[in-house]
Amino acid sequence: SQQGEEDPQALSIQEGENATMNCSYKTSINNLQWYRQNSGRGLVHLILIRSNEREKHSGRLRVTLDTSKKSSSLLITASRAADTASYFCATDASGGSNYKLTFGKGTLLTVNP
Amino acid sequence: EADIYQTPRYLVIGTGKKITLECSQTMGHDKMYWYQQDPGMELHLIHYSYGVNSTEKGDLSSESTVSRIRTEHFPLTLESARPSHTSQYLCASSEYYEQYFGPGTRLTVT
Repeated sequence: SQQGEEDPQALSIQEGENATMNCSYKTSINNLQWYRQNSGRGLVHLILIRSNEREKHSGRLRVTLDTSKKSSSLLITASRAADTASYFCATDASGGSNYKLTFGKGTLLTVNP
Repeated sequence: EADIYQTPRYLVIGTGKKITLECSQTMGHDKMYWYQQDPGMELHLIHYSYGVNSTEKGDLSSESTVSRIRTEHFPLTLESARPSHTSQYLCASSEYYEQYFGPGTRLTVT
């Protein structure tokens, strides 16, 4: 069954606006990560948040984690056209192999100039 | 930019052919992974390795096989390609939790 589910599936905004993407998962986790994928390319790691953390920042990125609701959000502030990409959350299930990740279906973000 | 490489980047091949997708990394990571991804869809783990001579099947059943006889090299082989194998194949490696991805191989089987 799907561990990570992103919402929305697609998001279109204007340059300068903020973009928020959500991820829900089903089982207990050790960590949750967010990755970015430009069209037809490999994924690039953006940020990792541990299960005992509630919020984390990295540049224009802000990630929150609510383990009671099994959900996370990724906020990109002051978006740029270059932020256009697909964004995936990935979880590793606690109690199992820590290094295997389960990816969600992703959110396709389009930032219009 | 991650030091993980995949060749070929694009491959169009006929049904029944044997193919090997190459993946190599120069970071000395013990853990390596193969994912299959259809356009606009999620990644599915098909194989992983936690070190030399260690390989495991992933969550998605695949007719491919892998080998890990050197730390830096994790090739994936399809003995007889079929149109259902058409997809993008992504290789990744990790030291801990963060995975580093190669650029992918887009495979089309005609």
